Amino acid sequence: DTAVSQTPKYLVTQMGNDKSIKCEQNLGHDTMYWYKQDSKKFLKIMFSYNNKELIINETVPNRFSPKSPDKAHLNLHINSLELGDSAVYFCASSSGLSQAFFGQGTRLTVV
Amino acid sequence: AQSVSQHNHHVILSEAASLELGCNYSYGGTVNLFWYVQYPGQHLQLLLKYFSGDPLVKGIKGFEAEFIKSKFSFNLRKPSVQWSDTAEYFCAVKGGTGGGNKLTFGTGTQLKVEL
Repeated sequence: DTAVSQTPKYLVTQMGNDKSIKCEQNLGHDTMYWYKQDSKKFLKIMFSYNNKELIINETVPNRFSPKSPDKAHLNLHINSLELGDSAVYFCASSSGLSQAFFGQGTRLTVV
Repeated sequence: AQSVSQHNHHVILSEAASLELGCNYSYGGTVNLFWYVQYPGQHLQLLLKYFSGDPLVKGIKGFEAEFIKSKFSFNLRKPSVQWSDTAEYFCAVKGGTGGGNKLTFGTGTQLKVEL
């Protein structure tokens, strides 16, 4: 069983569209994250949820809206996609100060 | 806020050479330190971690790292690299002043090992 799974793995879409990426973890962790990795491999945290509650919201355009229906799921919805949104988006989960486990990533390409 | 610096952005080594990648974080207090590796086209995997105790920690694939609290450093080492170590390496910190549970990453070091 995959510990942190995110779908889809690849997403190609046109500018202006709205899309969602889903993430699920089966590790029983209480904290989930979304990271954006740009073309230079720089990893930037976008959001963090703890027990369904938003605890970190970095400077991210409000076109990005996370949703956590329960503590095992953290989805990312993006409105009005722009070219600059093209990146790899990683979901991760952890518990307390322990290590984070990462999903396989979603490569988003906006054309 | 906590920040993490990795000084080497690109490193090229020949097989069997020794490796040391630098990592420094900005704020003290109780921290948990990590090194992650990302092989080409793959997700991040944990190499090793430091929570407490012996400041010299050993990880997978022959990697080790040393936590030096006075220097706010957690450098990664491997005595003899292999071609298969070609990857992106990320240092990360949790905790410390202004850190909390947030996992903050350095900018990454791209390692290329040549045959």
